[in-house]
Amino acid sequence: EAQVTQNPRYLITVTGKKLTVTCSQNMNHEYMSWYRQDPGLGLRQIYYSMNVEVTDKGDVPEGYKVSRKEKRNFPLILESPSPNQTSLYFCASSSDRRYSGNTIYFGEGSWLTVV
Amino acid sequence: AQTVTQSQPEMSVQEAETVTLSCTYDTSESDYYLFWYKQPPSRQMILVIRQEAYKQQNATENRFSVNFQKAAKSFSLKISDSQLGDAAMYFCAYRSAEGGSEKLVFGKGTKLTVNP
Repeated sequence: EAQVTQNPRYLITVTGKKLTVTCSQNMNHEYMSWYRQDPGLGLRQIYYSMNVEVTDKGDVPEGYKVSRKEKRNFPLILESPSPNQTSLYFCASSSDRRYSGNTIYFGEGSWLTVV
Repeated sequence: AQTVTQSQPEMSVQEAETVTLSCTYDTSESDYYLFWYKQPPSRQMILVIRQEAYKQQNATENRFSVNFQKAAKSFSLKISDSQLGDAAMYFCAYRSAEGGSEKLVFGKGTKLTVNP
């Protein structure tokens, strides 16, 4: 079954304590992205990766880091979380649209609260 | 930069009736893709329907159909025979067809309530 798996699904943490949200896909997709969803703002892209070792900033990258050492994994790192990073986070993946027909797969979301 | 606007923060419909959710977008590109996503209370993102800009024919998926007006940059979603399970947040999204761009640009969403 095609899946994008995020962990943890729910997390409450304290300001400044480094955390990592993992994302893994089993579809051999080249493209992976992270989005955050905030009330009244929709989803906004944080970072994306076009392939292993290729990453770039999205619209709201401040305070986040990513890495893509393996094709299947794309972790989101918050080095020093702050309360304004309290949000619902989604990982997404897709294949080269020349072969895939544009389907973008989303993980189930990770609720992060920073106190 | 592309933008997507959903002008209706909330909508309601009676069960079995038809409702239309509005979406407009701004782009200078000629080739792109448009999507409607449903987000139920579980917060899962579910693809409802998609439209390729180069196709003139409006996409249809069972009770869901779109009215795509490329010149007007409008992409509305019509839900026919509304069901209680259709209650959710609906997001309109844009994706460029240019190589290397996998970003979805989302609208702010429309919350749909279905009344029994």
